[in-house]
Amino acid sequence: GENVEQHPSTLSVQEGDSAVIKCTYSDSASNYFPWYKQELGKRPQLIIDIRSNVGEKKDQRIAVTLNKTAKHFSLHITETQPEDSAVYFCAASKTGNQFYFGTGTSLTVIP
Amino acid sequence: SAVISQKPSRDICQRGTSLTIQCQVDSQVTMMFWYRQQPGQSLTLIATANQGSEATYESGFVIDKFPISRPNLTFSTLTVSNMSPEDSSIYLCSVGLQGITGELFFGEGSRLTVL
Repeated sequence: GENVEQHPSTLSVQEGDSAVIKCTYSDSASNYFPWYKQELGKRPQLIIDIRSNVGEKKDQRIAVTLNKTAKHFSLHITETQPEDSAVYFCAASKTGNQFYFGTGTSLTVIP
Repeated sequence: SAVISQKPSRDICQRGTSLTIQCQVDSQVTMMFWYRQQPGQSLTLIATANQGSEATYESGFVIDKFPISRPNLTFSTLTVSNMSPEDSSIYLCSVGLQGITGELFFGEGSRLTVL
């Protein structure tokens, strides 16, 4: 199966600063890359995704970039707020099939 | 979206016993998966639950340990057999909706503690 690596494992930022989380994947056939946010004790929920025919996607304070050649993609959160504190998981998938998740990044936004 | 109900939400089990987790979805779904999330860890895919046929297991997971049923497009079960403390984990049912390639929806999870 696919192998997804994610860095860093923990990240602390001051409120208002930006946070960047990076992932790499191994299977060049993967074509869908979602990001999930998991708050403590809750289920993971999709926050943004990107497909292989797009290099960048933005949704308000959240953006994702994809470099297919290098097989890596990144999550960018700007103007961070305390409610952004959570564990973030990247994932890779071949459309409609199994999703393979990264190891997770625990983000803490310090007020 | 999809509403996914899992039960039990949590259980404490004795070593050597087996427990079956149920997953019910409020609509017919094409893709149904079972994940394991050990404390503080990521989501590891156990298997794809195939409707009407045997599940497809990922490397490191076998049918004898994690038998899965999927009798129809809205329901699946995962059994954790002959449990040991190492099986203590959260088990999550997840679905992908037919016709929508992308988002994976998760159930609330079943937190198992094996003594």
